[in-house]
Formats: sequence, C-alpha cells, structure tokens
Amino acid sequence: GNSVTQMEGPVTLSEEAFLTINCTYTATGYPSLFWYVQYPGEGLQLLLKATKADDKGSNKGFEATYRKETTSFHLEKGSVQVSDSAVYFCALSRQGAQKLVFGQGTRLTINP
Amino acid sequence: DTAVSQTPKYLVTQMGNDKSIKCEQNLGHDTMYWYKQDSKKFLKIMFSYNNKELIINETVPNRFSPKSPDKAHLNLHINSLELGDSAVYFCASSQDSRGGTDTQYFGPGTRLTVL
Repeated sequence: GNSVTQMEGPVTLSEEAFLTINCTYTATGYPSLFWYVQYPGEGLQLLLKATKADDKGSNKGFEATYRKETTSFHLEKGSVQVSDSAVYFCALSRQGAQKLVFGQGTRLTINP
Repeated sequence: DTAVSQTPKYLVTQMGNDKSIKCEQNLGHDTMYWYKQDSKKFLKIMFSYNNKELIINETVPNRFSPKSPDKAHLNLHINSLELGDSAVYFCASSQDSRGGTDTQYFGPGTRLTVL
C-alpha cells in the first residue's frame, strides 16, 4: 500500500540553524509529494509540493526535491526562525486516489 | 474571505449523543474531504466527495454519515458518539483530485471532545 514515513520528532533547534526533516514514501506509480505545515491551533497549509521526479518545491525558504531513486522528499531550510515552530507533515497523493496519505508529522520547535 | 470554513470550532458532548459538523468552501472546488487527526497528530482520510458524489469511504464506522447538499458543502453527522471519536476533524477541498497533483485546502478544524 501507499505510505509515508517521517523522521521522529520532536525536533528542537536554535534560531538560524539548518533544518532537515526526512521523509520517505512507498507508493505504486508516480505520486505527487507535498509538505504541509500546521501552526499551533490552526489547520494545515500547503508549504510546497512536487509532482514529478527531480522537481524541487520551494516556499518561504524551505525546499524539498522529489527523489525517485531514493523515494524521498526531505524538507530543508538553511536558517530557521522562531516563527517556523510548527508541526510539519509530508504527504503523497496518487493519480486517481483522491486522497492525501500523510506521514505521522514532525513537531519542530525553534528557540531564540 | 475564508476559503474553507468549519463550524463549530469546538464541540464538547456526552457519549451516546448525535452531533454534526458543517463545512463550506468558497473556492469553487469540485472535491471535498473529511480527515480525522488523532491525539498523536496523525491524519487520516475519512471521506471524499466529488461533485456531491461519494468517492472514498475509508473504513469509517457507519455511525459517521457525510452529506453533501451541493458541491460547496460537506457536512459530517456522527451518531451515538463514543470516547474514541474524540479528535480534531478537518474538512478540505481541491479543484480536481483525480490527477493527484492538486493542492488540498484545509479548514481550521473542529475539536470534538466526547465525555
């Protein structure tokens, strides 16, 4: 079946540190891959996405590259801010499936 | 100008009661969804509708009954509430989910607490 595995949290970093949150997936066919972010007390917002192999999604300083050979979509940011503290979800969607399959989420806390 | 809205935001009720959560989207999207987020933040699809037609029913107990009166609304009715139904329920919508590439837009969530 289709599944997404994210690195275990919580992750705590200092401001301006480099961030990587690992995400790997299992899927038939060629899924689209997404990162969603959930700020405290809010719903999910799309952070970035990639719909085919080697695509790079980017937004707000975050990047992730769709790596078919390693079935990965790791999230990176060069210099995190306190305002990046949130829960990050990696997700996939397959053609015709009409749903998102989420990883377990990674809670990120950035200390000043 | 809320894109996907849900009511109520919080819902506290007793076991055995029946309750409804409403969702509306003003994005003109064709597809709407309900997701459940448990206490460990894990998110799982419950239902999806495309143009008022049920597409996915993901092994959800039949105490949960979605209803889509038109493509802008998808409500969730829950009968005989149980303690395990306590969760945050998110509504979402997308333009067309069949290609798998469309972004889903989420509502703010409804936190349901069953006592």
